[in-house]
Amino acid sequence: QSVLTQPPSVSGAPGQRVTISCTGSSSNIGAGYDVHWYQQLPGTAPKLLIYGNSNRPSGVPDRFSGSKSGTSASLAITGLQAEDEADYYCQSYDSSLRRVFGTGTKVTVL
Amino acid sequence: EVQLVESGGGLVQPGRSLRLSCTASGFTFGDYAMSWVRQAPGKGLEWVGFIRSKAYGGTTEYAASVKGRFTISRDDSKSIAYLQMNSLKTEDTAVYYCTRDQNGDYYFDYWGQGTLVTVSS
Repeated sequence: QSVLTQPPSVSGAPGQRVTISCTGSSSNIGAGYDVHWYQQLPGTAPKLLIYGNSNRPSGVPDRFSGSKSGTSASLAITGLQAEDEADYYCQSYDSSLRRVFGTGTKVTVL
Repeated sequence: EVQLVESGGGLVQPGRSLRLSCTASGFTFGDYAMSWVRQAPGKGLEWVGFIRSKAYGGTTEYAASVKGRFTISRDDSKSIAYLQMNSLKTEDTAVYYCTRDQNGDYYFDYWGQGTLVTVSS
């Protein structure tokens, strides 16, 4: 059972901006723990997309950006491309449950 | 280049055991914590457990769903992490991913390709 809540799906046309929310609580995001994001392309393993709320690993396009405020975090994708169609997961640390994932969001490019 | 390769998955009956291996290369394995993450068919990601590096005691932590049944260990001389799974249940059916764990910052920076474990009679 995930303790971080994400919308099941978001969609947008090529070139548009979409955002994915990740809502936690006072025992995880609200406690000050960082939020990280992963991209899972169809049929592949997840890949680290954003770490430490807003940092991109080498090789991740700057179209992807992250932010955090209070008990929530967001991932934004600007200039949406067909290759961005994937599942996205947020992840943080919970004082009781340790490492926790979000419920996951499927991004569809219209 | 960091690589993580899982092996050992397969079909197993409920109540039986299975051991997964994760062979690492491209980095100093002993310096890092390692985590296992699983994904049931069509479902989301679930953290299973992790093992700290020897420098931090080599201790382990587990998700409540597997605590007491699963054990993670490591052999730094071979750069291998293990996931010993006992008393398997049908709900343990999943793809199991090995990940390199940034322990102090609580995220997974590299993932293996995964190995499928199917628990069924």
